[in-house]
Amino acid sequence: GEDVEQSLFLSVREGDSSVINCTYTDSSSTYLYWYKQEPGAGLQLLTYIFSNMDMKQDQRLTVLLNKKDKHLSLRIADTQTGDSAIYFCAESMDSNYQLIWGAGTKLIIKP
Amino acid sequence: SQTIHQWPATLVQPVGSPLSLECTVEGTSNPNLYWYRQAAGRGLQLLFYSVGIGQISSEVPQNLSASRPQDRQFILSSKKLLLSDSGFYLCAWNNIGEYYGYTFGSGTRLTVV
Repeated sequence: GEDVEQSLFLSVREGDSSVINCTYTDSSSTYLYWYKQEPGAGLQLLTYIFSNMDMKQDQRLTVLLNKKDKHLSLRIADTQTGDSAIYFCAESMDSNYQLIWGAGTKLIIKP
Repeated sequence: SQTIHQWPATLVQPVGSPLSLECTVEGTSNPNLYWYRQAAGRGLQLLFYSVGIGQISSEVPQNLSASRPQDRQFILSSKKLLLSDSGFYLCAWNNIGEYYGYTFGSGTRLTVV
């Protein structure tokens, strides 16, 4: 069945780059997504990438997709305290674009 | 523009009491609607989803039920709450055939005491 896996925690120093990784099992994924959840809030879509793309960049965010290895990553450049959150990876496969979710990676920023 | 409203933001209920959480979407029609539960700020557990009025799919058998009385209204209910129903409940929507991902409500923090 479908499965999306992420590390539970990532700790980085303020100003460094953060790289959050995600692996998925279903090669028929069409779109892959990164969401951010700040404490006590709902999830906010950060970015998404179509499965025929290798990379997508948006300001401090870079998404890399290795379709062969079924590996997705989110790089946050110059990590700030406001980036502290849980980051969820998700994939969609069918025409309804229903999402399969990873368990979320909690990004911890050290001063 | 499209918006999603979810209320209340926080709720403290005694064990055995009923529950009703409401979610409404504006600015779109015939959305897919979802109820998720999140325990202790961790992963998302899909509880129910709906692709149309009166159409509810349950992912996890439990003490909760969902209804969709109108196209853009999704209600999560329980007749008698259990302690294990405590958590953060999130409503979300997306449109069939659109790849923009889900839009989430701001969530309801439910504490059963």
